[in-house]
This record gives sequence, C-alpha cells and structure tokens, in this order.
Amino acid sequence: KAGVTQTPRYLIKTRGQQVTLSCSPISGHRSVSWYQQTPGQGLQFLFEYFSETQRNKGNFPGRFSGRQFSNSRSEMNVSTLELGDSALYLCASSRDISNEKLFFGSGTQLSVL
Amino acid sequence: AQSVTQLDSQVPVFEEAPVELRCNYSSSVSVYLFWYVQYPNQGLQLLLKYLSGSTLVKGINGFEAEFNKSQTSFHLRKPSVHISDTAEYFCAVSEGSSNTGKLIFGQGTTLQVKP
Repeated sequence: KAGVTQTPRYLIKTRGQQVTLSCSPISGHRSVSWYQQTPGQGLQFLFEYFSETQRNKGNFPGRFSGRQFSNSRSEMNVSTLELGDSALYLCASSRDISNEKLFFGSGTQLSVL
Repeated sequence: AQSVTQLDSQVPVFEEAPVELRCNYSSSVSVYLFWYVQYPNQGLQLLLKYLSGSTLVKGINGFEAEFNKSQTSFHLRKPSVHISDTAEYFCAVSEGSSNTGKLIFGQGTTLQVKP
C-alpha cells in the first residue's frame, strides 16, 4: 500500500511568486491535514480537509489556502511568497476525522529566495 | 488554548542506557496525546498514543509513555536505546475525537544516542 505522496520534493521560488504543493493521501483515506515545519516555529497546523470541505484552519494569513478534490487529493497554495515562508510543508492523511492515527508524507522543502 | 512543552531540546545518551523525554501540556478540555518520531529527511511516524483507559501506553520500537492527568504530563521512556533511535521526537495533543487531524506539537526533542 503506497504511503502519502507529496510533490514536488524540493522547490525554489523567489519573493512575490506563488506556489502550489500537492498531496496524494493513502488510498481510502478521506482526511488530509497540512503542517508547516520551520527551525524557529516548529510544526504548525495549517488546515484540515475532509470530503472536499475545510474543517479546521490554523493561524496563518490568507495567502495560505488549500483545497481537496473528490478523489481526496489535496493541494495547498501560497501566494505572494515571503522569505519567511521557507519551510518543510508536511501533509498527513487519515481514514476519517475521528481516526486518531495520522500518516505523514516526506514533505515538500520550499526555499524562498 | 492548548499548548505543549517539551522540556529538553536535546538529550544525549549512551547506547543501551535508559532514556526519558519529557512532555507537559496545557488544555482546558479533554485531549488525546501522541508521540511522533522524525528521522532525517523524512516525515513523522506515530510512536504511540493515549486516548483513554490505562495510563501506561506501549508503542512501537520498545517505547512507552505514561499519562499523568494531575501533572498534565506524558513522558516518553525507553529502557535501553539503540543507535537507530537517534532522531527528533515530538509530543502532540489534539482536542477530542473529531479533531485528530489538527495536532498541536511541542518544539521537539533531539535524541542523540552515542556508541
């Protein structure tokens, strides 16, 4: 059974650009969550999707957005990139919203120059 | 608001010695508690979780943790560590059974196992 797949693995962008990251959950998983990991702030929750609906949102500016498709795949978008957006972005999936085990992907390492 | 504090940023220990990684949390509601491990250049992997019931929880790779409600702690222990346990360990909480996709993480503890 394939794990959580995140693409691309590495990404380099410049300030002001926008970026889209993709996450394919484990087959049969309908809940997808996104996290930002930085050395200074640690792991911070971005948002959670279930059945194409955003259920929870973290404390991030509106430049950060996401969506989930009918096949449970999810994308997150960051517009008008800032240097501080450089981070490892992790996606996690679970079977449903009350399933307490999250499966994490290896992440997308975003560098903003 | 919930918060998680991991009391040690780095824990050096010799191989085959016991180790304890400390975690305290703050919440006004019932929470679920988790320990995750992150190896270099990888995502997080669940070690163990506490939902309810017995306060001593056993996980993978010989790790266990004890939930202490009065001290709001959930410390992780292993009686004998291996070199392969070198990694970063994260304590996390979620608020209730319908929010387990939204985890609040501690800052992490780097476990350095020396030969």
